[in-house]
Amino acid sequence: RKEVEQDPGPFNVPEGATVAFNCTYSNSASQSFFWYRQDCRKEPKLLMSVYSSGNEDGRFTAQLNRASQYISLLIRDSKLSDSATYLCVVKGGSTLGRLYFGRGTQLTVWP
Amino acid sequence: GAGVSQSPSNKVTEKGKDVELRCDPISGHTALYWYRQSLGQGLEFLIYFQGNSAPDKSGLPSDRFSAERTGGSVSTLTIQRTQQEDSAVYLCASSSGYEQPQHFGDGTRLSIL
Repeated sequence: RKEVEQDPGPFNVPEGATVAFNCTYSNSASQSFFWYRQDCRKEPKLLMSVYSSGNEDGRFTAQLNRASQYISLLIRDSKLSDSATYLCVVKGGSTLGRLYFGRGTQLTVWP
Repeated sequence: GAGVSQSPSNKVTEKGKDVELRCDPISGHTALYWYRQSLGQGLEFLIYFQGNSAPDKSGLPSDRFSAERTGGSVSTLTIQRTQQEDSAVYLCASSSGYEQPQHFGDGTRLSIL
């Protein structure tokens, strides 16, 4: 089983739509969680960290369910500029702190 | 600049040649990671350096791949006797601590002819 699993999509939504991405991870000892965004032919960039209590940054809301080992990202009022691949990232339980990346979920927002 | 710097940005070389890719992390970041990403694929972990600890080399795909990090700062990823399947974007990232997110460089686009 892969360390981090994501629905690859693609998700195609109109501007203004709400879209949600899900991610599961296999290591129950994982301690840190992030969502990254990667534009086509660009490097990944941190979108937001994910906290146990859930957190919001503008139109973006991240949730963590440790019991189910499940992470989500909700995007409200989608913009054309939100079109990208969204990577679920988990820091494993090893002392060396290696990060595990999901394959990414592709989002296209159309006008 | 204050970000992770990688060089060269593009490298085209013939099969069988050796290549060296360089990463200059953000100043003060103790952790440094190398990944590669083939076209349309996810990130593939290669190697991780954390301070003075022994690096985690578990992602290196073969013994043709090696990496060093001198003085806890700049890192060099070396690929010997390159093969066409080595063609990919090689990304370097650094972070300031265990719980901190990684910041990526722009990557080196490697093409093996």
